Amino acid sequence: AQSVSQHNHHVILSEAASLELGCNYSYGGTVNLFWYVQYPGQHLQLLLKYFSGDPLVKGIKGFEAEFIKSKFSFNLRKPSVQWSDTAEYFCAVNANYGQNFVFGPGTRLSVLP
Amino acid sequence: EAGVAQSPRYKIIEKRQSVAFWCNPISGHATLYWYQQILGQGPKLLIQFQNNGVVDDSQLPKDRFSAERLKGVDSTLKIQPAKLEDSAVYLCASRNLQGPRGTGELFFGEGSRLTVL
Repeated sequence: AQSVSQHNHHVILSEAASLELGCNYSYGGTVNLFWYVQYPGQHLQLLLKYFSGDPLVKGIKGFEAEFIKSKFSFNLRKPSVQWSDTAEYFCAVNANYGQNFVFGPGTRLSVLP
Repeated sequence: EAGVAQSPRYKIIEKRQSVAFWCNPISGHATLYWYQQILGQGPKLLIQFQNNGVVDDSQLPKDRFSAERLKGVDSTLKIQPAKLEDSAVYLCASRNLQGPRGTGELFFGEGSRLTVL
């Protein structure tokens, strides 16, 4: 069965700091990878997705993620965070030909002004 | 384009009572999911529909949970009787599959927060 782990439960940063959130998955086949964000009081929204091709994908609001197949990882990065990035971030995996999405436990990001 | 609609947004019930949640997916999205999100955890799949057929309900506690999508559009999720551990946010999501590998992402509703006392 697929599983997704996220390295940090809660990350606290100051504005302008760089961000990297870790995500690892366990599945031996081809996968589609996603990062979703949930701002306070809002629904889950897609930040970015990887299906194939360039392993470095860019999403909305300056976020990017790199797929490293050998490490089963899909880490999320942002060079300079803003207070408005305070939210919960979820990594998700969708396995080859499957329709289920398996989510990680989430990482709560708090950005201090 | 209208998003995924869910209701009610909040519901408080006592244990052993019943509750129902409603979801209207994005128009044209054939695949519909119900997820349970307990506080501090990621969403966990309860059931997945393709049109009005069930694709995966392996994680649905069928002794108390039921779901249907009769006309391949709206869906309802019911819990009867509720237990304290059912307190969670129930998320509905829909997906428009693109191509044979189904590469479309999930679109989520705002969720229905259930508190069981």
